[in-house]
Amino acid sequence: AQTVTQSQPEMSVQEAETVTLSCTYDTSESDYYLFWYKQPPSRQMILVIRQEAYKQQNATENRFSVNFQKAAKSFSLKISDSQLGDAAMYFCACHTGANSKLTFGKGITLSVRP
Amino acid sequence: GAGVSQSPSNKVTEKGKDVELRCDPISGHTALYWYRQSLGQGLEFLIYFQGNSAPDKSGLPSDRFSAERTGGSVSTLTIQRTQQEDSAVYLCASSSGWGRGTQYFGPGTRLLVL
Repeated sequence: AQTVTQSQPEMSVQEAETVTLSCTYDTSESDYYLFWYKQPPSRQMILVIRQEAYKQQNATENRFSVNFQKAAKSFSLKISDSQLGDAAMYFCACHTGANSKLTFGKGITLSVRP
Repeated sequence: GAGVSQSPSNKVTEKGKDVELRCDPISGHTALYWYRQSLGQGLEFLIYFQGNSAPDKSGLPSDRFSAERTGGSVSTLTIQRTQQEDSAVYLCASSSGWGRGTQYFGPGTRLLVL
């Protein structure tokens, strides 16, 4: 079984600034996948970014990038040039290749100040 | 193309009644998942269907919960004799790639048991 920990319940960022959301995980599997999902008030869970554990290169999607530290089991999300539409709850999640059900962290509420 | 759809969007029921929640996955996705999101428990896995294989029911909280997937497509989650603690948002997700694919979520059904 895997565990995912998001220790910060809330964060705030000024519009156009950069913010980093932290996540740590634990799994005994070597084949696993890490995700960040965004959940706005509409409650639709939207994929932000995905990282395969076997890839050394950090994933990037436009303004979103991750810092994947495999040895430290850390998977943080960096949002650059923050926009008002980035305000939402963000969940870190993990699944292993052998058991593809997602394990989620408790989430972090991100607010963006205009 | 069309994403994952769920119905109803909201459901209010009385304690002791049965409810059915429906999920239409993305066309061609072989895997389908149900999760529950509640304030106290966060996001929890409920059940996983993969192709014609026997479903993984390990997350169902009690025998009042059941789910089926007909024709490898639409799924129905049934909660019998609802209790107030069943109040939550029920999320459905689907993926391709036999468990290694990214899970795409529907908008969820908010269930309120009075």
